[in-house]
Amino acid sequence: ILNVEQSPQSLHVQEGDSTNFTCSFPSSNFYALHWYRWETAKSPEALFVMTLNGDEKKKGRISATLNTKEGYSYLYIKGSQPEDSATYLCAFREAAGNKLTFGGGTRVLVKP
Amino acid sequence: EAQVTQNPRYLITVTGKKLTVTCSQNMNHEYMSWYRQDPGLGLRQIYYSMNVEVTDKGDVPEGYKVSRKEKRNFPLILESPSPNQTSLYFCASSLFGEGYNEQFFGPGTRLTVL
Repeated sequence: ILNVEQSPQSLHVQEGDSTNFTCSFPSSNFYALHWYRWETAKSPEALFVMTLNGDEKKKGRISATLNTKEGYSYLYIKGSQPEDSATYLCAFREAAGNKLTFGGGTRVLVKP
Repeated sequence: EAQVTQNPRYLITVTGKKLTVTCSQNMNHEYMSWYRQDPGLGLRQIYYSMNVEVTDKGDVPEGYKVSRKEKRNFPLILESPSPNQTSLYFCASSLFGEGYNEQFFGPGTRLTVL
């Protein structure tokens, strides 16, 4: 079983502040790295799928970067809003395989 | 509306009583997958399928079976459920080929095995 870790497990952010958190994954046999947003009582929804070293993706106030050589990705939230409160999941897919391995998630709570 | 549906959404059952959780998608996706979510453990892949009649084990396949007789359906079968299979289950689907494609998740099935 591949080791995909997210840190921190949870964080509290004041409304308006920016924050970021990490997904670590194996640096060998990289194929793709997914980010999902999972709100309570809902299903996970895709944010980004990243494939190339140095990739940067952006959707509104949320952005992500990817470093495949060292095996990490950062997710950034700029100017956090209460609606950003959710668990953010990353998932790693290795080359020559079709399994998707998820990290444990970072639970973000934005306080008004 | 493009969606993944699961049934039932909630189920309480007893040890040993066979059950099936259905999953259906209307997006003509090749790839379908089952996950379980347990506190502190994130989403763990149970089984996945890359197309009709093609299935493979994920990280936690013990105690589960799947089938893919039609492209749109991917049922999860628990032949003899046990309390350690109490969990929240998600079905997901995506396009296949390049492998970069995002997964679309169903609404989840909360299963309790007594």
